[in-house]
Amino acid sequence: QKEVEQDPGPLSVPEGAIVSLNCTYSNSAFQYFMWYRQYSRKGPELLMYTYSSGNKEDGRFTAQVDKSSKYISLFIRDSQPSDSATYLCAMSINTGNQFYFGTGTSLTVIP
Amino acid sequence: GAGVSQSPRYKVAKRGQDVALRCDPISGHVSLFWYQQALGQGPEFLTYFQNEAQLDKSGLPSDRFFAERPEGSVSTLKIQRTQQEDSAVYLCASSPHAGAANEQFFGPGTRLTVL
Repeated sequence: QKEVEQDPGPLSVPEGAIVSLNCTYSNSAFQYFMWYRQYSRKGPELLMYTYSSGNKEDGRFTAQVDKSSKYISLFIRDSQPSDSATYLCAMSINTGNQFYFGTGTSLTVIP
Repeated sequence: GAGVSQSPRYKVAKRGQDVALRCDPISGHVSLFWYQQALGQGPEFLTYFQNEAQLDKSGLPSDRFFAERPEGSVSTLKIQRTQQEDSAVYLCASSPHAGAANEQFFGPGTRLTVL
């Protein structure tokens, strides 16, 4: 079993829809949670960075962390065709040297 | 430069050849990470440097993989006697702080194809 599980999709939604992306994890020591966006043939781009449980909002993006359920989410409101990409969740422990990534969810927003 | 740069962007090697992949991190960043990303997968950790010290190489898949960062800035990942299973995108990331409890900023990656 991988430490971080993520549904690879693909996920296809109409423009303007609300998108929900999720990851689950098994290591209760994870404290830092990140969401990255990766366009085809590009490196991952940091979208959201959160510490411990709770919500964080940045424009159309909201990240949620539920440590009791070992479950994190990224919500995208008013989705745009430019949001079409692969979304990777990542997490780490306080004293760690690496990020643990999910497999990524492929999202297509249809105009 | 504003971001992490990597070179070459694409590399084709014949099985058995040695390759060297370069990473230029964001200026002043303390931490540097290498990841391997197979097709359709998330990045997998290879190794971590804090300044010039290689503090973690637990993710290197074999002794054919070697990384260095001699002056605490530019880093090189070297793969000896390449095999087909080494084909992947190799990503470099840097961070202004020590360890993995902070944001990491990624380069565009080097796509390695071993024939």
